[in-house]
Amino acid sequence: ETGVTQSPTHLIKTRGQQVTLRCSSQSGHNTVSWYQQALGQGPQFIFQYYREEENGRGNFPPRFSGLQFPNYSSELNVNALELDDSALYLCASSETGKNTEAFFGQGTRLTVV
Amino acid sequence: AQRVTQPEKLLSVFKGAPVELKCNYSYSGSPELFWYVQYSRQRLQLLLRHISRESIKGFTADLNKGETSFHLKKPFAQEEDSAMYYCALGVGGYQKVTFGTGTKLQVIP
Repeated sequence: ETGVTQSPTHLIKTRGQQVTLRCSSQSGHNTVSWYQQALGQGPQFIFQYYREEENGRGNFPPRFSGLQFPNYSSELNVNALELDDSALYLCASSETGKNTEAFFGQGTRLTVV
Repeated sequence: AQRVTQPEKLLSVFKGAPVELKCNYSYSGSPELFWYVQYSRQRLQLLLRHISRESIKGFTADLNKGETSFHLKKPFAQEEDSAMYYCALGVGGYQKVTFGTGTKLQVIP
């Protein structure tokens, strides 16, 4: 059984650019959630994908978008990067259902300069 | 809107002393509460959830709806308990999970 993997681990981008972060879910998991964790803060929910469709969204602007693929892997895209987008981005996968555990990846550290 | 408050950024206790990490939540519906832990250089992982009412690594947490609290407790702290602890609230069938800001637990030998 493989765990949740995210790529890249670190990334530096310039303000105004676009970025794509990737997540491979754990084997057997069909639901992926993305979180933003700023320094000194807890993770903040961005959105969740289930069966390739967005299934819940937090308070993030439309320039944060995502995709889920048939193999349940997922991408987080951020357009028009701002300095405040600098954070650790976490991906978590889980099975469908209410009482299932979410497994987190190690995160992607994004720095916007 | 839901909110999770963890009032302590840092909690230092001596080995063998009792531990209580505080968590209060704000939510008008029926909450699903969790505690997540992040050990040094490891990824975030689920420690326990209120619905299963289990004890993990000696930790327990009871949901108190009257006080809207879900404090994490352990009678005797161990050095390996040193980590970052996050309280989290799940709503909408866990579609949206709200995390607190976290408490760093430091167990002094």
